[in-house]
Amino acid sequence: GNSVTQMEGPVTLSEEAFLTINCTYTATGYPSLFWYVQYPGEGLQLLLKATKADDKGSNKGFEATYRKETTSFHLEKGSVQVSDSAVYFCALSDRGTDKLIFGTGTRLQVFP
Amino acid sequence: DADVTQTPRNRITKTGKRIMLECSQTKGHDRMYWYRQDPGLGLRLIYYSFDVKDINKGEISDGYSVSRQAQAKFSLSLESAIPNQTALYFCATSEEAETSTDTQYFGPGTRLTVL
Repeated sequence: GNSVTQMEGPVTLSEEAFLTINCTYTATGYPSLFWYVQYPGEGLQLLLKATKADDKGSNKGFEATYRKETTSFHLEKGSVQVSDSAVYFCALSDRGTDKLIFGTGTRLQVFP
Repeated sequence: DADVTQTPRNRITKTGKRIMLECSQTKGHDRMYWYRQDPGLGLRLIYYSFDVKDINKGEISDGYSVSRQAQAKFSLSLESAIPNQTALYFCATSEEAETSTDTQYFGPGTRLTVL
């Protein structure tokens, strides 16, 4: 079945460091791919998404590219801020069903 | 006002009690979902509903039931709560797949503790 695997956390960085959170997926067909972010005490909110191979999603300085050949959707940011501290979830959506399958989440901690 | 609201935000209850968690949305979406979040397990789908007359089990529906009272309301019930149902519960909504780009919108969550 479809599944998402993402790196375990926590990821601990200093402010302005480069961030990569790895995400790989297993899926039949061509799913849409997402990154959701959960700030402390809040629900999940969409950070970015990509709907087909080679698409790049971007938002708030974060980027991720849909790589079909490596079945990956790694999240990157060139310079993290303390306010980026949160839990990040990679997810895929089965076409036509809108059912999301989530990874286990990666906690990011950014220190000044 | 928030587009997806959940009540209560926090609840502590005892084993064997019946609990209802409520979700309301003002986004006008037909599709609604209930998830639970556990540390290290991500989010898992409990039930989902594609319209008022459509209810479907997710991957972990045992011990739960739902009611879709209207397009805007989707309730989750625990008929007889047990401690391993202690978790953070999220409601989410989305548009129809043919008109949407798959995005789901989440409520703020309900933290449930079963003693």
